[in-house]
Amino acid sequence: EAQVTQNPRYLITVTGKKLTVTCSQNMNHEYMSWYRQDPGLGLRQIYYSMNVEVTDKGDVPEGYKVSRKEKRNFPLILESPSPNQTSLYFCASSLGRVTYNSPLHFGNGTRLTVT
Amino acid sequence: QKEVEQNSGPLSVPEGAIASLNCTYSDRGSQSFFWYRQYSGKSPELIMSIYSNGDKEDGRFTAQLNKASQYVSLLIRDSQPSDSATYLCAVGTGFQKLVFGTGTRLLVSP
Repeated sequence: EAQVTQNPRYLITVTGKKLTVTCSQNMNHEYMSWYRQDPGLGLRQIYYSMNVEVTDKGDVPEGYKVSRKEKRNFPLILESPSPNQTSLYFCASSLGRVTYNSPLHFGNGTRLTVT
Repeated sequence: QKEVEQNSGPLSVPEGAIASLNCTYSDRGSQSFFWYRQYSGKSPELIMSIYSNGDKEDGRFTAQLNKASQYVSLLIRDSQPSDSATYLCAVGTGFQKLVFGTGTRLLVSP
C-alpha cells in the first residue's frame, strides 16, 4: 500500500531533550516536506526537500533540523525542544514539484507535547 | 493579508443540501489549487486539484477556479453527515510549497 509513515504517533517529552520524528514513504517520491498544524494558524511548512541531500527552509524552520540521506526517509529533528513546539506534525510527499497532477500526500501525523 | 483565506465556519447544512466552501488567495502567480478534507485529529486527505479556470467535477464534488478574481470554491452536492469535517484550501505558489488556508469547518446535520 502506497503510504507515508510517521513515527511515533504520539510523543510527550521535556524541554531540552533531543528527539527525532521519522518519516518514510514507499512511493519513490522526490519531494518531501514537514508541516506543523496549530489551531488558528493552519498548516505551516517547516522544511522541504526536493531530492536526496537537497533540503530548504519553509516558513517556520527555527528550532528544527532535517536530513535527506535516502530518498524514502526524511526525519525531523528537534535538538532542544521547547513548549512552543507542542503541535501536530505532518510529513508529506509528492512525486515531484507540487503541482495539480503531483499533489501532496500526508502521513498520519505526530502529536508532540513538550512540557 | 493572509496568502490563503477561508471562512472558519462552521458552515451548517442539512443532509442532502449543497455545501459551498470558498477560498481566496493573494498570489496572482499561483498555478495549482487543491482541496483537502481533514477529520478531527486525522491527516489531510486530497479531494480535488484544479489548475485551469472553470469547473472540475468528481462525483459529488465540484471545484471552481476563477483566477481573475483569485477565488477557488468547492461544492459538495447531496451532503452527507460523513462529509462533516474541516476543508482546507491549498495553493501552489511555485516556490516548492503549498500554502494552506486555516480551513472551513463543515457540519452536515441528519
